[in-house]
Amino acid sequence: QKEVEQDPGPLSVPEGAIVSLNCTYSNSAFQYFMWYRQYSRKGPELLMYTYSSGNKEDGRFTAQVDKSSKYISLFIRDSQPSDSATYLCAIRKGGSEKLVFGKGTKLTVNP
Amino acid sequence: DAMVIQNPRYQVTQFGKPVTLSCSQTLNHNVMYWYQQKSSQAPKLLFHYYDKDFNNEADTPDNFQSRRPNTSFCFLDIRSPGLGDAAMYLCATSSRDPHQPQHFGDGTRLSIL
Repeated sequence: QKEVEQDPGPLSVPEGAIVSLNCTYSNSAFQYFMWYRQYSRKGPELLMYTYSSGNKEDGRFTAQVDKSSKYISLFIRDSQPSDSATYLCAIRKGGSEKLVFGKGTKLTVNP
Repeated sequence: DAMVIQNPRYQVTQFGKPVTLSCSQTLNHNVMYWYQQKSSQAPKLLFHYYDKDFNNEADTPDNFQSRRPNTSFCFLDIRSPGLGDAAMYLCATSSRDPHQPQHFGDGTRLSIL
């Protein structure tokens, strides 16, 4: 079983839709959870970072962590064409500098 | 703005010809990382420096080397590039604080002729 699983999509939605992106992980030692957005030919850009269960909101983005289920989500409200990108979940164990990435989900928001 | 800067953005080299990619940071972070990312794949960690301490991943080919002459700069050397080394190479940094995330540069896209 891989340490982190992410559906690679692709996912295509109309403008204004609510988008839900998800990852599952296998090891309860993971304590830090990140979502990165990566546009084509660019580096990953940090969107959300959390280290506790529950929700964290930043504008149109909400990150949700459920440690009991080992499940993390990113919700995008009122999606825009500019949100079209690959979204990578990344997790890290306490005491480690290393990230474990999901495969990334490619999202297209159609005008 | 504090940043992670990678040069060049695009690099073309010949099969077997050594190439060096560079990364600089103005974040004053202790940790610097090099990742390889191939098309439609997740970034794969090659190695990282915790200050001057070098940490190599077990599956990183010997063909890949790194240097960190000071806090701000880190280099990736590919001694004899093969066609399979064509990829995006990403540099990232982080601080000692476990509550702080990694920050990435925009990468260098390496092509092998």
